[in-house]
Amino acid sequence: ELKVEQNPLFLSMQEGKNYTIYCNYSTTSDRLYWYRQDPGKSLESLFVLLSNGAVKQEGRLMASLDTKARLSTLHITAAVHDLSATYFCAVDIDTNAGKSTFGDGTTLTVKP
Amino acid sequence: NAGVTQTPKFQVLKTGQSMTLQCAQDMNHNSMYWYRQDPGMGLRLIYYSASEGTTDKGEVPNGYNVSRLNKREFSLRLESAAPSQTSVYFCASRKSTGSSYNEQFFGPGTRLTVL
Repeated sequence: ELKVEQNPLFLSMQEGKNYTIYCNYSTTSDRLYWYRQDPGKSLESLFVLLSNGAVKQEGRLMASLDTKARLSTLHITAAVHDLSATYFCAVDIDTNAGKSTFGDGTTLTVKP
Repeated sequence: NAGVTQTPKFQVLKTGQSMTLQCAQDMNHNSMYWYRQDPGMGLRLIYYSASEGTTDKGEVPNGYNVSRLNKREFSLRLESAAPSQTSVYFCASRKSTGSSYNEQFFGPGTRLTVL
C-alpha cells in the first residue's frame, strides 16, 4: 500500500523567509503532483513532476522530484502572505487507472 | 469552459436519508473521481471511473455507490446517510491518454452534514 507523508504538517513563517516542504512516498512512482487549497476552497494544480530530476518553478515556489529517494520538495522563496494556504502532494499508484494517493497536506501561514 | 461543476454546494441530511451528489465536467476528460475531505485531513478516494463505462472502488467506498452516466457526468449516491459521512465531497477529472495522466481538476465541493 502506497503511503505519502508530508512534513511539516503545519508551518508558520515570517514574510521574506525561505522554507522547504517535504513529500516522501513509499513505493516506486515517477509521477507526482502538487496542489494548493485556500481555506474553504477547492484544490488547484500547481506542479506536475513526471521524471527523476524534474524541477518546476512558478513565482516564489519551486518543486523538485527525486524518484530514487522517493522524495519531492516544495521550496518557498521570500514568502509573502498570499502564499498562505494548504499544500498537498499526490502520487499516482496505478498509472493505468489514474488513481492518486494524497498526503495529509501542509498548512502554511505567512505572517507579516 | 465551466470546468468541473458539482451540485448541490451544501446539504443537510438526517440519518437514514438518501441523496445523490452530481458532478459534470466539460473538458472531455476520460477519468473522474470522488473524494471526501474531513477536517484537517487530506483527500481520501471513494470511487473512481478510469473511463466511460467503468467504475472502481477507492480507499473508502463503504456506504456509497456511483454511476458514470456518460463521459461528462459522474454521480455519487448515499443510500442511507450516517453521521460519519459528514464531510466535504470533491469531484475531480483528468485527461488520460493510454497510461499517461495529467493533473486533476477539482470541482468546488459539496459540504454535507448528516444529523
